[in-house]
Amino acid sequence: EIVMTQSPATLSVSPGERATLSCRASQSVSSNLAWYQQKPGQAPRLLIYGASTRATGIPARFSGSGSGTEFTLTISSLQSEDFAVYYCQQYHHWPPPTYTFGQGTKLEIK
Amino acid sequence: EVQLVQSGAEVKKPGESLKISCKGSGYSFTNYWIGWVRQMPGKGLEWMGIIYPGDSDTRYSPSFQGQVTISADKSISTAYLQWSSLKASDSAIYYCARLGDTGMVAHVGYWGQGTLVTVSS
Repeated sequence: EIVMTQSPATLSVSPGERATLSCRASQSVSSNLAWYQQKPGQAPRLLIYGASTRATGIPARFSGSGSGTEFTLTISSLQSEDFAVYYCQQYHHWPPPTYTFGQGTKLEIK
Repeated sequence: EVQLVQSGAEVKKPGESLKISCKGSGYSFTNYWIGWVRQMPGKGLEWMGIIYPGDSDTRYSPSFQGQVTISADKSISTAYLQWSSLKASDSAIYYCARLGDTGMVAHVGYWGQGTLVTVSS
């Protein structure tokens, strides 16, 4: 089973600054990696898929990079609405498909 | 517009059965895999399993195999998640999640609003 590990668990950043979130896979997932944002009381929202493709309607300040086992989500200039929990997910391991999530990074206001 | 609308919150006792639903609209229901994701209180997301409504091909994550049953009724564009005997540890929010592409190797493109299940004596 592929294990996804996100770091750090909590990231404290000031509005306007850059945030860098990491996600590591225990084995290669190629570019089959997505990032989701979840705010309290809401369902997750797709931000990035294919490791680097922004989903429809996602602001350009969100960018994803990486392939294989190391991935990064960067938010270039944090807005107040960006403070949330972020999850990475692999969808490469098949069969059987497991679509494993990382444990999440909480992005909080510094 | 793609929408996944889930059934409402449930309060059940241990040992009871339950079936929650997820109705898809705005797309061809039979052509996209739909999965279920658990989120226990204050915790992260866990993938439970996935179904292809076109032929009901179903795959479970190892942790959930034998614990739940995933099904779909394509005539009413609805996917289901069911338990035969609930435990207190099944208390969680459950999300249905449609893949973004028609293949199985794809991200989650759309999420339901979530169904809160509370199991308590």
